[in-house]
Amino acid sequence: QKEVEQNSGPLSVPEGAIASLNCTYSDRVSQSFFWYRQYSGKSPELIMSIYSNGDKEDGRFTAQLNKASQYVSLLIRDSQPSDSATYLCAVNTGNQFYFGTGTSLTVIP
Amino acid sequence: NAGVTQTPKFQVLKTGQSMTLQCAQDMNHNSMYWYRQDPGMGLRLIYYSASEGTTDKGEVPNGYNVSRLNKREFSLRLESAAPSQTSVYFCASSEKRQGVWVSTEAFFGQGTRLTVV
Repeated sequence: QKEVEQNSGPLSVPEGAIASLNCTYSDRVSQSFFWYRQYSGKSPELIMSIYSNGDKEDGRFTAQLNKASQYVSLLIRDSQPSDSATYLCAVNTGNQFYFGTGTSLTVIP
Repeated sequence: NAGVTQTPKFQVLKTGQSMTLQCAQDMNHNSMYWYRQDPGMGLRLIYYSASEGTTDKGEVPNGYNVSRLNKREFSLRLESAAPSQTSVYFCASSEKRQGVWVSTEAFFGQGTRLTVV
């Protein structure tokens, strides 16, 4: 079983819609959770970090963490074509980051 | 602030050749990492260094060696390149959040696109 699982997609949403990305992780001692966006040919860039159960909002982005269910999600509101990218879920268990394989998102104008 | 700098950006090697990928960070981070990224496989950890003077194997260490030269620099060496090592390589660094033991996010370099023919 992989440490971090994501739906690989691809996920397509119309412009202005809400995109929902999901991630589950296997290690219960995980304490730090991150969402990265990666454009083709570029390096991953941080979108959100979340450390406590509940929701964390930053602009159009909301991260949700449920440690009991070992589940992290990212909601993108008012999706824009510029949001089209691969989104990586990452979990830190102490010394290592574990990454999911990514979900490809396409926002259709 | 440069962040994490990797060199080179592109490299073509012949099978059996050796090379070193360089990585330097200017954020005074203790932890540094080398990942490879292949289509459909996500980011896989090759080696990491939790602090200056320590290195540990990750998920896919075979065929690679690393050196944590000092706190800033963490290099990755391919002693005898193989076509299976064709990939995009990313260096990253991170630090513990002040006052707690959990980690900040990983900051990534621009990547090195390596082709072994």
